[in-house]
Amino acid sequence: DAGVTQSPTHLIKTRGQQVTLRCSPKSGHDTVSWYQQALGQGPQFIFQYYEEEERQRGNFPDRFSGHQFPNYSSELNVNALLLGDSALYLCASSTFEPNKYEQYFGPGTRLTVT
Amino acid sequence: RKEVEQDPGPFNVPEGATVAFNCTYSNSASQSFFWYRQDCRKEPKLLMSVYSSGNEDGRFTAQLNRASQYISLLIRDSKLSDSATYLCVVNILTGRRALTFGSGTRLQVQP
Repeated sequence: DAGVTQSPTHLIKTRGQQVTLRCSPKSGHDTVSWYQQALGQGPQFIFQYYEEEERQRGNFPDRFSGHQFPNYSSELNVNALLLGDSALYLCASSTFEPNKYEQYFGPGTRLTVT
Repeated sequence: RKEVEQDPGPFNVPEGATVAFNCTYSNSASQSFFWYRQDCRKEPKLLMSVYSSGNEDGRFTAQLNRASQYISLLIRDSKLSDSATYLCVVNILTGRRALTFGSGTRLQVQP
């Protein structure tokens, strides 16, 4: 049973560029959430996708956008990169069933903005 | 004030010791509670859910006090492999399914 997968594992970009990160959820899961984790901090919620729609959003600017595909996989796009966007980006998969709130994380994409 | 607060540590303990982590949360609407474990430069992994009645999984015991908005994790007979950062996590309902993480408590178990 494949767990959550993410690509790429590492990425180096320059300020002002755009980046796309990818995630495939665990088998049987239909919901994907994205988190940003800065060094020494806990993950911070960016947004969540279910049924190809953004369902919830954290306190992140519109430069952060996403998409979910019919096979439940998801992309996170960040435009006009800033140095402060350097972080570990984590994808978490879950089910949207009632009373099921556990989320399972992929290995993350480490983004460095120079 | 942060929504979820934890002592950052580090906690340095010898093998075999018992160690306890505490966490407080600010939103009384919080409904689901978890402890995740995160190894250095790896993803968080679900350690256990926390229920009002308290729950135990081997050497790990989690407790929830809703009145005080307080969650704890007890690790007995610490192993070297327990060295990691432990993240206290809450899920606030009222339409949200996002997890809110504390900054984590780092544990270093020493031989």
